[in-house]
Amino acid sequence: ETGVTQTPRHLVMGMTNKKSLKCEQHLGHNAMYWYKQSAKKPLELMFVYSLEERVENNSVPSRFSPECPNSSHLFLHLHTLQPEDSALYLCASSQVYRQGAGQPQHFGDGTRLSIL
Amino acid sequence: AQTVTQSQPEMSVQEAETVTLSCTYDTSENNYYLFWYKQPPSRQMILVIRQEAYKQQNATENRFSVNFQKAAKSFSLKISDSQLGDTAMYFCAFMRHEGGSEKLVFGKGTKLTVNP
Repeated sequence: ETGVTQTPRHLVMGMTNKKSLKCEQHLGHNAMYWYKQSAKKPLELMFVYSLEERVENNSVPSRFSPECPNSSHLFLHLHTLQPEDSALYLCASSQVYRQGAGQPQHFGDGTRLSIL
Repeated sequence: AQTVTQSQPEMSVQEAETVTLSCTYDTSENNYYLFWYKQPPSRQMILVIRQEAYKQQNATENRFSVNFQKAAKSFSLKISDSQLGDTAMYFCAFMRHEGGSEKLVFGKGTKLTVNP
């Protein structure tokens, strides 16, 4: 399925670098999500955007900065990261209704991030 | 807070046989949704099956079916006629609607290996 595309696939950066992760969805959804997946831990929800407005931020460190310019694109800007931030970062999208309909989230392939 | 527990970190099964992956969750909500996702080595999180909590009938998708026990807060996944391509991490997830967004809470996953 190519409905959710993430770039780059791999990223190696130093702690002082600034980089951005990109996510694009072609499914016509109105909500997008960033998740962090670390070894032996459950997926952690980082940010939620619904209708281009951030509706949830799970107390993520400020060195992670999301941006959602429209309903199809989502970015995660990174700066001054720490070694413990090395992980797989997954983007997802879904269609959300006000009354709640439990529509599944569709995921991209993720960006494998390594902090030196 | 909702939690999802997958008590089997790893499992293996012979090709063509049946295997059941367990999942329990904790919530005080009455209306919610449950999912099983599969993550093969290719990394993409793929939806396997979805269950609506208000429906008593167990969801089925081809070789995949669930045993949903709402009172016991149990949501196990049965894979029949296992195939080599079923080798993957399997994640159980709980979703509820909250304030204009839908939040997924994942378990730690079960690594399933299908042996030839």
